[in-house]
Amino acid sequence: QSALTQPASVSGSPGQSITISCTGTSSDVGGYNYVSWFQQHPGKAPKLMIYDVTNRPSGVSNRFSGSKSGNTASLTISGLQAEDEADYYCSSYTSSGPSYVFGAGTKVTVL
Amino acid sequence: EVQLVESGGGLVQPGGSLRLSCAASGFTFSNYWMSWVRQAPGKGLEWVANMKGDGSAKYYVDSVKGRFTISRDNAKNSVYLQMNSLRAEDTAVYYCARDLAATGSYDNWGQGTLVTVSS
Repeated sequence: QSALTQPASVSGSPGQSITISCTGTSSDVGGYNYVSWFQQHPGKAPKLMIYDVTNRPSGVSNRFSGSKSGNTASLTISGLQAEDEADYYCSSYTSSGPSYVFGAGTKVTVL
Repeated sequence: EVQLVESGGGLVQPGGSLRLSCAASGFTFSNYWMSWVRQAPGKGLEWVANMKGDGSAKYYVDSVKGRFTISRDNAKNSVYLQMNSLRAEDTAVYYCARDLAATGSYDNWGQGTLVTVSS
């Protein structure tokens, strides 16, 4: 049950688009369309932003979108805003267990 | 409104036990998988365990197998995590979460309860 690989940090200016990658294996990201993305502000509980690779829960801005190619999933934030500054975690179902595994997290900074 | 409220955290010595509870409201509890996810201080999220709505299936991360037990009482709309043989590395904020689509899509989280394992 190894953690998924995410970049430690990504930054962008207001209005720009950024993409966070999440790389796994054929046993998790590549094998199932069960990738979720979570946003976490300091001291707060995580918030679901994307689930099942591309689905956006009710109430989440359409500036957030998800995709997947092979063993790598991606979260794109378009029209970056100050409030988007947070930690972002991907997770995936894994056949190892079976269970779920998270990425180590990516800190998004709005310049 | 969906609400999840955890309780039961605290300071415990290595080798000790603790039972966490999560009280749910605002949805049909028995229809959903429920999970426990933890976060060590200053670290990332780690999935710990989950349980199917009817209690017929449950799974654990390798590091807690044989030490932690997840259970639920659908009559009380509650899910529990019994933690035995606790280690320093189990120190974390423990969140319970509802799985929206039974695919790790945790759409509602509790506020978390801090477990500290230390002598």
